[in-house]
Amino acid sequence: DAKTTQPTSMDCAEGRAANLPCNHSTISGNEYVYWYRQIHSQGPQYIIHGLKNNETNEMASLIITEDRKSSTLILPHATLRDTAVYYCIVYRSNYKLTFGKGTLLTVNP
Amino acid sequence: DGGITQSPKYLFRKEGQNVTLSCEQNLNHDAMYWYRQDPGQGLRLIYYSQIVNDFQKGDIAEGYSVSREKKESFPLTVTSAQKNPTAFYLCASGQGRRRETQYFGPGTRLLVL
Repeated sequence: DAKTTQPTSMDCAEGRAANLPCNHSTISGNEYVYWYRQIHSQGPQYIIHGLKNNETNEMASLIITEDRKSSTLILPHATLRDTAVYYCIVYRSNYKLTFGKGTLLTVNP
Repeated sequence: DGGITQSPKYLFRKEGQNVTLSCEQNLNHDAMYWYRQDPGQGLRLIYYSQIVNDFQKGDIAEGYSVSREKKESFPLTVTSAQKNPTAFYLCASGQGRRRETQYFGPGTRLLVL
């Protein structure tokens, strides 16, 4: 699976959009981009995934660049409860997820 | 409610003891997974099972054992051979073609005394 690079930490003001970047320059054509988040001392939670097109669900939007070498997870109106570690994962088809260290997003009041 | 339960929330082990962590799911998922998380680190895969009575080693299986006798249960035994067992253990399950959309339990924190 391709390697991902994420910033170690980011801050966001409550009510503003949080934009979390992820670089995956070695991604292959059949690899998906997945996002999970982990609130402190809890199990990770699936957020969204995509292959080529931008995706949106009730939690977030995922923007994938045309060359697929990077993506951005967007939380449109961040709340204090969105403070968590966010993991960007590139996945192929071996049923195994590889979690890096992720980005600690801190939403400030 | 459907979901994954793990017990206990905290577990203390004396050196040289084996301990078993419980993981139960009522989501009717075929696949189940065990991960280990150390402070400030991401998750690492210990074992996974795609179907009942079958399981495979993950990236850090040494010192651990599992069984999958029932679809809803996937217990993990931390043996005395695991030299540094203190960690946060997470169980997950998945289903269908998108088994990478995994649902996680609340975790068990294991401490060695």
